[in-house]
Amino acid sequence: QSALTQPASVSGSPGQSITISCTGTSSDVGGYNYVSWYQQYPGKAPKLMIYDVSKRPSGVSNRFSGSKSDNTASLTISGLQAEDEADYYCCSYTRSSTWVFGGGTKLTVV
Amino acid sequence: QVQLVESGGGVVQPGRSLRLSCAAFGFTFSSYAMHWVRQAPGKGLEWVTILSYDGSNKYYADSVMGRFTMSRDNSKNTLYLHMNSLTAEDTAVYYCARDMRGGNAFDMWGQGTMVTVSS
Repeated sequence: QSALTQPASVSGSPGQSITISCTGTSSDVGGYNYVSWYQQYPGKAPKLMIYDVSKRPSGVSNRFSGSKSDNTASLTISGLQAEDEADYYCCSYTRSSTWVFGGGTKLTVV
Repeated sequence: QVQLVESGGGVVQPGRSLRLSCAAFGFTFSSYAMHWVRQAPGKGLEWVTILSYDGSNKYYADSVMGRFTMSRDNSKNTLYLHMNSLTAEDTAVYYCARDMRGGNAFDMWGQGTMVTVSS
């Protein structure tokens, strides 16, 4: 159950777009369309932003989008806003019927 | 109001046990699988365990297998995490989270309860 690989940090300016990658294996990310993404502010609980690779829950801005290619999933945030500055985690279902998170990416809006 | 409320955290000595609870409000608890996810101080999220809606199926992360047991009481709308043989590596905020219906994700989270394992 090795953690999925995410960049430790990414940054962007207001209005720009950024992409966060999430790399796993054929036993998790590549094997299922069950990748989700979570936004977490310091001291707060995570919030679901994307599920099943590219679906947005009700209430989540359409500036957030997800995709997947082979063993790598991606979260793209377009039209960056100051409020997007947070930690982002990917998560995938695995062949062992368990779940695995990525190490997390700190997004800075400069 | 639809929410999850964890309790039971605190400071515990290494090797001892602790039971966490997660009370569910505002939705049909008995229809949902539930998870526990933890986060060590300054670290990322770690999935811990899942329990099916009726308690018949459960899976655990390797790091807690054989030491942690998840259970539920649907009549009380409450989830439990029984933690034994605790070590410093179990120090974390523990979140309960609801398994999404119609999707594969955690769509609702509690506020978390802090567990500190220290002598």
